[in-house]
Amino acid sequence: DGGITQSPKYLFRKEGQNVTLSCEQNLNHDAMYWYRQDPGQGLRLIYYSQIVNDFQKGDIAEGYSVSREKKESFPLTVTSAQKNPTAFYLCASSRGDRGTNEQFFGPGTRLTVL
Amino acid sequence: DAKTTQPTSMDCAEGRAANLPCNHSTISGNEYVYWYRQIHSQGPQYIIHGLKNNETNEMASLIITEDRKSSTLILPHATLRDTAVYYCIVTSRGSTLGRLYFGRGTQLTVWP
Repeated sequence: DGGITQSPKYLFRKEGQNVTLSCEQNLNHDAMYWYRQDPGQGLRLIYYSQIVNDFQKGDIAEGYSVSREKKESFPLTVTSAQKNPTAFYLCASSRGDRGTNEQFFGPGTRLTVL
Repeated sequence: DAKTTQPTSMDCAEGRAANLPCNHSTISGNEYVYWYRQIHSQGPQYIIHGLKNNETNEMASLIITEDRKSSTLILPHATLRDTAVYYCIVTSRGSTLGRLYFGRGTQLTVWP
């Protein structure tokens, strides 16, 4: 089955520690995205990548970093500089061409920083 | 910034049609209307999109007014599994990124 996987589903970390969230897709999509969702709120874009070895900041990139070394993978690191890291993190992918805005989402990772 | 206005919540009886409205009065000529939904604690799911004509697929129908300033998503026979937050998004199709701005959406509750 084609799709997007995120792991783990729940993650707990101590304050001050960096943590990396995994996102893998086997849809052969060029574009990948990371969003953050806080309780009762919509999604906010953290970073996005249209192609391998290239990525751009979204609306709330401070305190986060990403890499895109492979087409299938777009890991997100939540650094200790992120002031309020506890949130629900969603990864998505899309074909990335000019014909569609349909994004496919993973199941999400709920990060809790203690 | 979200360019749409949606009611915060709605409810619907199981088996009846759910009609979810969305206002997008500042929509421009090359912008599409997209609908996604998010079941609690899951990733959003694409439902349907349209430019100016009404659209239908296996999940829903999308009715866009002639002036394109508002639209309605119709779930013809709502089930309990349709309980979710529904997001109406206006975006330029095939834009540089295909950015989607998710507002707070409408919480649809389907009751038995």
